[in-house]
Amino acid sequence: ELKVEQNPLFLSMQEGKNYTIYCNYSTTSDRLYWYRQDPGKSLESLFVLLSNGAVKQEGRLMASLDTKARLSTLHITAAVHDLSATYFCAVEGGTSYGKLTFGQGTILTVHP
Amino acid sequence: DADVTQTPRNRITKTGKRIMLECSQTKGHDRMYWYRQDPGLGLRLIYYSFDVKDINKGEISDGYSVSRQAQAKFSLSLESAIPNQTALYFCATSDRWTYTFGSGTRLTVV
Repeated sequence: ELKVEQNPLFLSMQEGKNYTIYCNYSTTSDRLYWYRQDPGKSLESLFVLLSNGAVKQEGRLMASLDTKARLSTLHITAAVHDLSATYFCAVEGGTSYGKLTFGQGTILTVHP
Repeated sequence: DADVTQTPRNRITKTGKRIMLECSQTKGHDRMYWYRQDPGLGLRLIYYSFDVKDINKGEISDGYSVSRQAQAKFSLSLESAIPNQTALYFCATSDRWTYTFGSGTRLTVV
């Protein structure tokens, strides 16, 4: 059974600081997704990572994938208040073919 | 119109009542899903369907049933609602590469 674990679950940051959210998964996967969710809202797709060593960047967010370590990271650079949200990673593949298995989510709060 | 539409957006129901949550999509995707979100648990898969004739249980299907009425419609039913089914429910579609989520249905069982 595929398990996906994120850490930390809660992250309080100051504006301008850098930090990383980690996503570990237990079995072979085909794709790894990162989503953002604002309170009471739907999930917004951020990144899809397909292969080992994949790195994608959008603004202050950069995601990477290490399939050998079964680890993805979401790095936040020079955080701003607008990045406050819940971030989920989700994995598809192996025994979870055709469906996503989600991590618990990381609640990010950026303070002035 | 939204690509994935869920109705109702909010619902309060009593324990023991039957309730149906509806989902329709205009993406033309074959694959549809129902997820449940609880604080600290992420999203968990209830049921999924790869086409109209294909229905599969997810990790938490007990107490739920689904109906795939057409390629574009996938409904979730709670036959006899109980308080621990209080949650935010999401419908999603997929073309194998991208997933599109609806806006969610907030269900409260009292």
